[in-house]
Amino acid sequence: DQQVKQNSPSLSVQEGRISILNCDYTNSMFDYFLWYKKYPAEGPTFLISISSIKDKNEDGRFTVFLNKSAKHLSLHIVPSQPGDSAVYFCAASDMKTSYDKVIFGPGTSLSVIP
Amino acid sequence: KAGVTQTPRYLIKTRGQQVTLSCSPISGHRSVSWYQQTPGQGLQFLFEYFSETQRNKGNFPGRFSGRQFSNSRSEMNVSTLELGDSALYLCASSLVGRNEQFFGPGTRLTVL
Repeated sequence: DQQVKQNSPSLSVQEGRISILNCDYTNSMFDYFLWYKKYPAEGPTFLISISSIKDKNEDGRFTVFLNKSAKHLSLHIVPSQPGDSAVYFCAASDMKTSYDKVIFGPGTSLSVIP
Repeated sequence: KAGVTQTPRYLIKTRGQQVTLSCSPISGHRSVSWYQQTPGQGLQFLFEYFSETQRNKGNFPGRFSGRQFSNSRSEMNVSTLELGDSALYLCASSLVGRNEQFFGPGTRLTVL
């Protein structure tokens, strides 16, 4: 039973346009969400996070939106750059009981076309 | 500051053998987590250690085990290897109370 879902395995976007990566979760106990980026032959690197007390968090070109009622979050990258081409993982945890147990989604492969 | 290191980077084993993977966390990080990555499955949580104690465990069979040493270095062991154990095994470390994890490059295990 996948608690964190990323229903789009891949996404292609033109350079300079917006990239929107989506993530859904089923466990209502999750209260902290993270996005990681992974290049081939490297481990994932932390990108941005959001607590359930917020509905938006912004860091430069990256913005994460959280809709708790829909159990949905999205990562917006504006403007997209070729260097953003990577696999993006959505992750979630329950900070109240097991904050060091992080559940990852299957990932979305983003290709930014020059 | 040195990042998370994992050894070996690549490993080839045959069915029925056992394997031990090693992870050295970032200095000062006391929480170490292990993940299995396979195509289409993303990162599957194996277990998490803190102060030599396993605090969290994923849904993997008992063939998968781990331990953490007093210097926070961690090892994971897989016994009686199966073909389906072929995967990239990732180790991540974090500061206590912080969710953001720092990953190593992984160990690519191939079971023939």
